[in-house]
Parts: sequence; C-alpha cells; structure tokens
Amino acid sequence: DAGITQSPRHKVTETGTPVTLRCHQTENHRYMYWYRQDPGHGLRLIHYSYGVKDTDKGEVSDGYSVSRSKTEDFLLTLESATSSQTSVYFCAISDPASGAYEQYFGPGTRLTVT
Amino acid sequence: DQQVKQNSPSLSVQEGRISILNCDYTNSMFDYFLWYKKYPAEGPTFLISISSIKDKNEDGRFTVFLNKSAKHLSLHIVPSQPGDSAVYFCAASRNTNAGKSTFGDGTTLTVKP
Repeated sequence: DAGITQSPRHKVTETGTPVTLRCHQTENHRYMYWYRQDPGHGLRLIHYSYGVKDTDKGEVSDGYSVSRSKTEDFLLTLESATSSQTSVYFCAISDPASGAYEQYFGPGTRLTVT
Repeated sequence: DQQVKQNSPSLSVQEGRISILNCDYTNSMFDYFLWYKKYPAEGPTFLISISSIKDKNEDGRFTVFLNKSAKHLSLHIVPSQPGDSAVYFCAASRNTNAGKSTFGDGTTLTVKP
C-alpha cells in the first residue's frame, strides 16, 4: 500500500470555525489531491497539486484553500466551515510521469460541521 | 454536466455468477479509464485500467472492456465473490492532463452467498 496518512481521521467542528486537514505521503509522488465524497455524488475534486507550491482548483473549490510547502504534505483549509462542508474527505497521490495514472487514496477524514 | 456516468446505483448478484458494472462518458478527449473499489470506512483502491488504444484489459477475475464509439466501458467480475461487495467507481483521464481524473458516482455491488 502507498504510504498516505490523513489527520485527523474524525473531526466535529462548529459553523464558522476554521479547519485544516492534513495529508502526508512517503512515496515522493508529484501529484496530490483532495476529494470529498457525499452520498449520490461520488468523488468530487476540490483542489490538487502538481508540485511544491503548484496548485489548481477542482470542480468544488469554493470555500476551500490548499497549500503545499513540501512534497510530502498537502493541507486543506476550510476558512469558515459551513454545514454544507460536512463530508468525508479523501487525499490521494499519483505519479503520472511514471506512466501510471492511477491514484492512491488515504483512509479519509470524516468532518462534521454542526 | 456530468462527464462520467454510472447509471446503476446498485447491483446485486449471486456468488459465482458474473457481475457487470457499466460506465458511460461524454468527453471524447478522455483516453485513459480506471476502475476503483471502495469498502466502507476505507479509501478507494485502484483495481484495473485501460488505455483508449485497447478495447480489453484483463487481470485475474477482472476484465474491463472499452467501446470508444459508444463511449462506454464495463467491468466484468467472474466469478463474483462475497468479498467483491463494495462500491465501484469508474474514472476517466486525458493523456494531456494525466494528473486529473473525473469520477462517476459509483455503483454499489452486493454479492450474495
């Protein structure tokens, strides 16, 4: 299994508070991603990174920001959490330059915004 | 506009029989397709992929078929086992932007003993 960890694994927070989720990899993969999974919506891309300090928006980026200051860490920040951001968040990594397009996912973070 | 669609939210099959999961896409620029499997409370795991230059790829009990003219792919599992019960996601990528994949909503497969 690819070395990907997410922290925290569970979090309950109140509306309006800032929240930061962390993804850490030990595979030295160039690409890192943040997805959210909601019932009936599959996996939706929030933001992704194609290198240190290189990030781009996904399809559901509003209300989220990311940062990648090291190859191994990718942070997702909810500046002011809302109930609509209650979801399961997955981090993933990939290394398409190697010719393999598959992504490897972390175990997920369940976030509840009350 | 959903570019990757899995029209069947769920599928139930008997152990030992074939499971066929379907996926349709609308963007003709997609040229690489993947299937992932997800168990509850775990992250998705990569299962099998296919490039648009092929129409079939096989890995053990799992075979993916690609029909480019119909913009359709399918995953066949033969024989199905109870451990195959999971959510299956179809995903599509473009070689010019290989770092990004677009996912379908998933199909929940239940294999009954």
